Amino acid sequence: LAKTTQPISMDSYEGQEVNITCSHNNIATNDYITWYQQFPSQGPRFIIQGYKTKVTNEVASLFIPADRKSSTLSLPRVSLSDTAVYYCLVGYDRGSTLGRLYFGRGTQLTVWP
Amino acid sequence: NAGVTQTPKFRVLKTGQSMTLLCAQDMNHEYMYWYRQDPGMGLRLIHYSVGEGTTAKGEVPDGYNVSRLKKQNFLLGLESAAPSQTSVYFCASRSPLNTEAFFGQGTRLTVV
Repeated sequence: LAKTTQPISMDSYEGQEVNITCSHNNIATNDYITWYQQFPSQGPRFIIQGYKTKVTNEVASLFIPADRKSSTLSLPRVSLSDTAVYYCLVGYDRGSTLGRLYFGRGTQLTVWP
Repeated sequence: NAGVTQTPKFRVLKTGQSMTLLCAQDMNHEYMYWYRQDPGMGLRLIHYSVGEGTTAKGEVPDGYNVSRLKKQNFLLGLESAAPSQTSVYFCASRSPLNTEAFFGQGTRLTVV
């Protein structure tokens, strides 16, 4: 699995757009990029996945540059309820990494009034 | 549709006691996981399974054992609990080649 690096914490205010960038310099050709969100006292939940370019759903957008060595999760107009930990995962099920799912420490996003 | 269910939700153990945490999923998922979460440490993978009858070690397997006798169940055992195993434990499951995993509600374990 490719190692990922993301900021430990970020702060924002309600109504602002938040961009969380994840670095994954060793990403392999077949690796997908996946983001999860975790609220306090809950398990993480999947929010978005992409392979290249841009993916958008009702929750967030995921931007992936051509070299795929990084990705940016974009949350439009955040609210207090977006306060959570966000995890970036990179990988693909194959060979010795089959089935593994490592989360790391994630990015604590705090949204202020 | 219950999804992933963990039993129990809370437990207090004395040092040296043993216990088993049960995870059950009703989505017919091949892969199942046990994680622990400590303050400021994110989620750390303890053990995982890619199918019935198979298990593998994750990042922090010491002090834990697991079994996957049935596809829908994944058991996490603590043979001799230690205070360092005080944590919140999460179980998860997913299908192969799909990185969307579904998590249980967590088990808060305190070892005194």
